[in-house]
Amino acid sequence: ETGVTQSPTHLIKTRGQQVTLRCSSQSGHNTVSWYQQALGQGPQFIFQYYREEENGRGNFPPRFSGLQFPNYSSELNVNALELDDSALYLCASSYRDGTYGYTFGSGTRLTVV
Amino acid sequence: AQKVTQAQTEISVVEKEDVTLDCVYETRDTTYYLFWYKQPPSGELVFLIRRNSFDEQNEISGRYSWNFQKSTSSFNFTITASQVVDSAVYFCALSEANFGNEKLTFGTGTRLTIIP
Repeated sequence: ETGVTQSPTHLIKTRGQQVTLRCSSQSGHNTVSWYQQALGQGPQFIFQYYREEENGRGNFPPRFSGLQFPNYSSELNVNALELDDSALYLCASSYRDGTYGYTFGSGTRLTVV
Repeated sequence: AQKVTQAQTEISVVEKEDVTLDCVYETRDTTYYLFWYKQPPSGELVFLIRRNSFDEQNEISGRYSWNFQKSTSSFNFTITASQVVDSAVYFCALSEANFGNEKLTFGTGTRLTIIP
């Protein structure tokens, strides 16, 4: 079975630009969560998608948005990038059956300059 | 609100020594899950263990063991006979057990360095 894959692995953007990060969930998983991990910090929950709808959101502004597709893959979009958005963005997939196993990808390292 | 505290920012031990990573959590939920993840330099979070709040039995998996004490809200992780490959950042995390609210709340992590 394949794990969670994220693309791109690294990205450099200019303040004010928009960015889209992609995540392919692990086979058999139908739920995707996104986390932001600033340098030296623990991951912070951004939001979760289940059945193509947002299902829970952390303390992030609306310029952070997402999508989940019928094949359970997902995108994270960030508009009007700020310098503080520089971080490792992690995607995690899981199966929504009441158990809580999360498989994480290796992340996308976003640098905003 | 949920909170996870990992007071040890960095730990260094010599190879083959035992090391314990501390985790203290706060939650008002009666049912919850606790996790430990390992983050090597490559960045992905590697799942180590999940523990249900109703299961206070300690668990051992090879050189790894976990001590869950609900009375002190702690979920500590011990590596026995440490190896260089254990060098990584380790995160403790907490989630509610309510269907539909499964976000993980992470601690700030402990960077473990095993010295050869």
